[in-house]
Amino acid sequence: GENVEQHPSTLSVQEGDSAVIKCTYSDSASNYFPWYKQELGKRPQLIIDIRSNVGEKKDQRIAVTLNKTAKHFSLHITETQPEDSAVYFCAASMGGSNYKLTFGKGTLLTVNP
Amino acid sequence: DAGVIQSPRHEVTEMGQEVTLRCKPISGHNSLFWYRQTMMRGLELLIYFNNNVPIDDSGMPEDRFSAKMPNASFSTLKIQPSEPRDSAVYFCASSLGGRLYGYTFGSGTRLTVV
Repeated sequence: GENVEQHPSTLSVQEGDSAVIKCTYSDSASNYFPWYKQELGKRPQLIIDIRSNVGEKKDQRIAVTLNKTAKHFSLHITETQPEDSAVYFCAASMGGSNYKLTFGKGTLLTVNP
Repeated sequence: DAGVIQSPRHEVTEMGQEVTLRCKPISGHNSLFWYRQTMMRGLELLIYFNNNVPIDDSGMPEDRFSAKMPNASFSTLKIQPSEPRDSAVYFCASSLGGRLYGYTFGSGTRLTVV
């Protein structure tokens, strides 16, 4: 089955700096890669996603890049703010008719004022 | 739309008791997923349904766990008998059902088994 590795497990940055979280996946048939943000005590929420026919997608301060050859994708947050502090999860869908997402273990991002 | 609705939000029960968690997916979503989240194991998929039919239950820990989806607007996850190691946050999520769509998660049920 699909395996998703996520790094780093924790990341601390100063407000205004950039943050990068990286994920690798194992199934070359995977074609959908969402990112979720989970604030303390709350539900994971979808913040951005990318599909395999696109190499990069941007939404204001967040962007995701995908390298299908290397089977890795990354989340980039620019001009970080304290409210960006949360756990971020990457995920990958399997190919074929299997609809389930496999999640990485998560990255705890702390933005220090 | 009210989103994915889970109940109860918190449940404290004694070891050996039966626990039932409930979920109402977003109207029109064809797929429903049950996840368990712990610090040690992260987000684990327990089971998912497509068009009310269980597709993959390989993540269900053991026979003590069972899930049903009697109709498109309701699902239950039951643990009988419950054990302390079942303590976790249980999330239900729904999606449009294709493999190119993300999930919408419910608020979760925090289960504590003492």
